[in-house]
Amino acid sequence: GDSVTQMEGPVTLSEEAFLTINCTYTATGYPSLFWYVQYPGEGLQLLLKATKADDKGSNKGFEATYRKETTSFHLEKGSVQVSDSAVYFCALSERANAGKSTFGDGTTLTVKP
Amino acid sequence: DTGVSQDPRHKITKRGQNVTFRCDPISEHNRLYWYRQTLGQGPEFLTYFQNEAQLEKSRLLSDRFSAERPKGSFSTLEIQRTEQGDSAMYLCASSTEQGADYGYTFGSGTRLTVV
Repeated sequence: GDSVTQMEGPVTLSEEAFLTINCTYTATGYPSLFWYVQYPGEGLQLLLKATKADDKGSNKGFEATYRKETTSFHLEKGSVQVSDSAVYFCALSERANAGKSTFGDGTTLTVKP
Repeated sequence: DTGVSQDPRHKITKRGQNVTFRCDPISEHNRLYWYRQTLGQGPEFLTYFQNEAQLEKSRLLSDRFSAERPKGSFSTLEIQRTEQGDSAMYLCASSTEQGADYGYTFGSGTRLTVV
């Protein structure tokens, strides 16, 4: 079955540092890939997505590139802010599975001023 | 549109009691999903609806769990005879049929604590 593996956290960075959160996946078909963000006490919000190989998803300074050859979708941001502190989830979804998503276990990011 | 709404936000119940949660999806979304999230883990799929039809249920969904989506609008998730292991965040999400490509809109969740 499908699975998503994220780098373990927590990750603690200083403001303006570079962020990378690794994500690799296993899928039976050709999935779409997503990053969601969850702020304390809230549900998940879609951060960015990519639907095919070599697509780059981007939003709010975050980027991730769909790498089919390495089955990866690493999240990056060049300069993090305190407000980026949250839990980040990598996920995949397949049309053949009616859009059901498989999520990683999340990576907690804390950014210190 | 106010997004996906879930009610209540928090529920504390005694073991053995029944609880019911409600989800109001985005009105033009015909797919509705229920997920369960426990501390330190990602959401796990429970069930989904396309319009009013419940098309799939996870093996995680024991016979104490039931979900409905009458008229293809709001949905309810009921847990009967709650157990301490049911304590979790219950998340509702909705999407169009292109959700596999465009992702979900999640509600804020209902946090259930069984004491």
